[in-house]
Amino acid sequence: GAGVSQSPSNKVTEKGKDVELRCDPISGHTALYWYRQSLGQGLEFLIYFQGNSAPDKSGLPSDRFSAERTGGSVSTLTIQRTQQEDSAVYLCASSSRTQSSYEQYFGPGTRLTVT
Amino acid sequence: GDSVTQMEGPVTLSEEAFLTINCTYTATGYPSLFWYVQYPGEGLQLLLKATKADDKGSNKGFEATYRKETTSFHLEKGSVQVSDSAVYFCALSDSGGSNYKLTFGKGTLLTVNP
Repeated sequence: GAGVSQSPSNKVTEKGKDVELRCDPISGHTALYWYRQSLGQGLEFLIYFQGNSAPDKSGLPSDRFSAERTGGSVSTLTIQRTQQEDSAVYLCASSSRTQSSYEQYFGPGTRLTVT
Repeated sequence: GDSVTQMEGPVTLSEEAFLTINCTYTATGYPSLFWYVQYPGEGLQLLLKATKADDKGSNKGFEATYRKETTSFHLEKGSVQVSDSAVYFCALSDSGGSNYKLTFGKGTLLTVNP
């Protein structure tokens, strides 16, 4: 079946612009996660959705970062007024809460470059 | 808070050599432990997992045993292949919380030469 998909695969933007990153989870997966992978910080958790609500936003690095999920499916991560330190690969993962181990399946990521 | 420490490498081995990548963790609850692998140009994939103490996860010749007494989950393979060249991430998911978010180590780059 279809896995987690993300778009765009690559995004180059100028400092100060806003960007939107999209994630399509595996159909039926109620849990959705965003992570960031950067050279200096490794893989970091950003935000967790259960259905359309986000009970854990503790990893969002600043108020320039926000995310939403609609219809219990697609999620969008928005970064406002991008900075060079936002350059990273943004990964989305989804999980079925019915699985005993809550295994997460990752998408291919969006590589964001802020110039 | 939760944390994972793994040897950062890079690790370079010859084909058929023995591999160990050390991983230790700190967690407040009773975590599940994972090894993820990222092959060149590909996304993150689950390699193996263990959900409770003394469990052994295994896949593709790789093994790791959940050691609660030493808070460790070292990855081993008896004979590596060139195709095992990748970045390996140790991770935990603290089941004491409600969201099962993953906390990752920094990753270890493995290069296997023919």
